Amino acid sequence: NAGVMQNPRHLVRRRGQEARLRCSPMKGHSHVYWYRQLPEEGLKFMVYLQKENIIDESGMPKERFSAEFPKEGPSILRIQQVVRGDSAAYFCASSPSPQPADTQYFGPGTRLTVL
Amino acid sequence: EDQVTQSPEALRLQEGESSSLNCSYTVSGLRGLFWYRQDPGKGPEFLFTLYSAGEEKEKERLKATLTKKESFLHITAPKPEDSATYLCAVQAGGGAQKLVFGQGTRLTINP
Repeated sequence: NAGVMQNPRHLVRRRGQEARLRCSPMKGHSHVYWYRQLPEEGLKFMVYLQKENIIDESGMPKERFSAEFPKEGPSILRIQQVVRGDSAAYFCASSPSPQPADTQYFGPGTRLTVL
Repeated sequence: EDQVTQSPEALRLQEGESSSLNCSYTVSGLRGLFWYRQDPGKGPEFLFTLYSAGEEKEKERLKATLTKKESFLHITAPKPEDSATYLCAVQAGGGAQKLVFGQGTRLTINP
């Protein structure tokens, strides 16, 4: 049973370009979460999505960041006009349901470097 | 605001030397406390979920316990392959699904 898949694993962008990070949840999971890990910092929640719905985006920066989880295909985290401060590891997690304390399983992450 | 503090930041042990990692938390209505292991360059790997004070869970050389204010991850007779960063996270009540993570404890086991 394949785990959470993320691609690309490494992404290099120049300032001002767009970054698109993809996440395919575990089989049977319909809930996706995005977290960001800045250098020397802990994991920070960004957004929680179900198919075609954003449920909680309280951790998402107000500008340049967006996320979607379409009916078909992976979840996408999109960062427009990237800046050096966006350099971080971005992790996706999935769970089978939103039941209380349902385990979130993490993917390997996408390491974004902004030059 | 929900907060998680882990200590120590880093811990270096000799192989076979048992110890404990601490996770202190303040949260409005705990739904679950999670322990993950993270190796360099990889995503967090799930270890345990604890739901209520007094609960304990074990897996190989690891044992997690929970009180109303903190959780401990006890590691017994560790091996070099137990070297990793151990992350603690809480999920609060009120319907929020997000996990709030601590900074982690970087554990190194020397042979």
